[in-house]
Amino acid sequence: AQKITQTQPGMFVQEKEAVTLDCTYDTSDPSYGLFWYKQPSSGEMIFLIYQGSYDQQNATEGRYSLNFQKARKSANLVISASQLGDSAMYFCAMRGGSYIPTFGRGTSLIVHP
Amino acid sequence: DSGVTQTPKHLITATGQRVTLRCSPRSGDLSVYWYQQSLDQGLQFLIQYYNGEERAKGNILERFSAQQFPDLHSELNLSSLELGDSALYFCASSAVGTGMNTEAFFGQGTRLTVV
Repeated sequence: AQKITQTQPGMFVQEKEAVTLDCTYDTSDPSYGLFWYKQPSSGEMIFLIYQGSYDQQNATEGRYSLNFQKARKSANLVISASQLGDSAMYFCAMRGGSYIPTFGRGTSLIVHP
Repeated sequence: DSGVTQTPKHLITATGQRVTLRCSPRSGDLSVYWYQQSLDQGLQFLIQYYNGEERAKGNILERFSAQQFPDLHSELNLSSLELGDSALYFCASSAVGTGMNTEAFFGQGTRLTVV
């Protein structure tokens, strides 16, 4: 079985600052993928970034980067230079041997002007 | 735009009724997933179809059923609806390989309200 834990129900950040959203995972699968999604108030789920368990380098997509620490089983999302439009729910997910994406409970991010 | 289309966007119905939610996956995606998102349960996996066949089942109630048609669109049928079934229902699709590195793309969801 695989499990995703997001311990921060809510986070606040000042506009233009960086913020880190925590995600830890648990799986017995030797190979897996980690994902982050953004859900704005409108409700849609938007794919942000992917990290493979065998990738040597941390994934980066624009202002998003994934701080992957395999030994600690963590896959934290870093958003640099926060913008007001970044205010949303953020979900960490993983896909292992079952190929079913499993999601964490999410972190609500509020960006202050 | 993710390329996944869900209809309807909103649905209000009474307890005991039956509804059908529809999903058209991204062009070429063979795999369709259904998720339920409620405030207290987070995003719960319901069921997966791959090229017309049921592939995996999650926490799907017996009152709920799904199918995937030859044109790859999928329908989620919810019957004998209860107040607790009120939630946002998502459909997601992923590419042919369904490997570890293929992200799932989500539709905009159907918000179901049971009154």
